[in-house]
Amino acid sequence: DTGVSQDPRHKITKRGQNVTFRCDPISEHNRLYWYRQTLGQGPEFLTYFQNEAQLEKSRLLSDRFSAERPKGSFSTLEIQRTEQGDSAMYLCASSLLEAGNTEAFFGQGTRLTVV
Amino acid sequence: GQNIDQPTEMTATEGAIVQINCTYQTSGFNGLFWYQQHAGEAPTFLSYNVLDGLEEKGRFSSFLSRSKGYSYLLLKELQMKDSASYLCAVRGSNYQLIWGAGTKLIIKP
Repeated sequence: DTGVSQDPRHKITKRGQNVTFRCDPISEHNRLYWYRQTLGQGPEFLTYFQNEAQLEKSRLLSDRFSAERPKGSFSTLEIQRTEQGDSAMYLCASSLLEAGNTEAFFGQGTRLTVV
Repeated sequence: GQNIDQPTEMTATEGAIVQINCTYQTSGFNGLFWYQQHAGEAPTFLSYNVLDGLEEKGRFSSFLSRSKGYSYLLLKELQMKDSASYLCAVRGSNYQLIWGAGTKLIIKP
């Protein structure tokens, strides 16, 4: 297993367009997280899945954002009608759901630029 | 509400020691993590504390006091490659990670 992978690594889109990002977690990990990170800030939580169930969605997330994890494996994050304020790094992470030192492993992220 | 505080930026000299502090207020506690993030890259795991005390791992050590809601990351024998942001994250009651904004560490020769 090569870790968490995200696709694409970079995306430039025009304001108003829809974009979709993909995340492939570490295969045995049952938790998958999406975060957004802007320069000089820590990761901002967007949503997370336990297997295929979306358990929590940030209140900061508008209705333009939707995420799926249809078979409990890979996940997609879609942003509709993109705005310039959506420009950020979108990070995916996965982990095991159990106590103890079960750290989250991050993908390399998708950098979105809305022009 | 839930809150994690870290200094925004710190500067240290190559070969020296630096301590990065983190204070937290969260609903529930199931462990505290430190991550390192180089510019433009994803965060990578450094350390984990769930009980009070010091955890040592090579040049890096992490300390936790649950009663004080306080942790620190200690970096010894600083190298230029240690220049990065250091993120403190607390795993809350629902096992979700709550992140600080990160501390940018600048190492000078």
